[in-house]
Amino acid sequence: IAGITQAPTSQILAAGRRMTLRCTQDMRHNAMYWYRQDLGLGLRLIHYSNTAGTTGKGEVPDGYSVSRANTDDFPLTLASAVPSQTSVYFCASSSGQAQNSPLHFGNGTRLTVT
Amino acid sequence: GNSVTQMEGPVTLSEEAFLTINCTYTATGYPSLFWYVQYPGEGLQLLLKATKADDKGSNKGFEATYRKETTSFHLEKGSVQVSDSAVYFCALSDLDAGNMLTFGGGTRLMVKP
Repeated sequence: IAGITQAPTSQILAAGRRMTLRCTQDMRHNAMYWYRQDLGLGLRLIHYSNTAGTTGKGEVPDGYSVSRANTDDFPLTLASAVPSQTSVYFCASSSGQAQNSPLHFGNGTRLTVT
Repeated sequence: GNSVTQMEGPVTLSEEAFLTINCTYTATGYPSLFWYVQYPGEGLQLLLKATKADDKGSNKGFEATYRKETTSFHLEKGSVQVSDSAVYFCALSDLDAGNMLTFGGGTRLMVKP
């Protein structure tokens, strides 16, 4: 089934540890995004990539890094996790600009930093 | 900067009741407006959209009208079902802000049989 696959589904992580959240899409979409979802705050954009080889910072990029080596994969790395990074993380993709192309979301990764 | 404000939830309704979820926005440019829905355990999916003033987006019995004069995009449905229970997010995309989506805080809808 075409779509976005995120892994892991959930993770408990000790503060200070490094963690990479994986995201793969098979729709050949150019644009990919990472959001975090927190109660009452909706979804906030962490990083994005308009095409393979390029990335950009979103609203809340501090403490996170991304890479886009190819079209399909867009991993999100927490270099040294902190409790405030406890959240649900969603990867999304779109074929073009957000105004004209709906975002397709993965099912999310629930991360708890202790 | 851009922002989206939604009514706080949860909204609890009985089946077949009328639904309104309010959404207002501020934007520096001339945005497109969206409603996304998130069912339990899933990611968000696009419900409907409108790209210019007075446009009405509609899907699955839901509709919303782009009101530039009141900067609003309220979601309505005439008769909700239990299967409509989900979290609803209003969002905007603005060319002046790089076409990124800005989301509201989400409104949880619970429909009881």
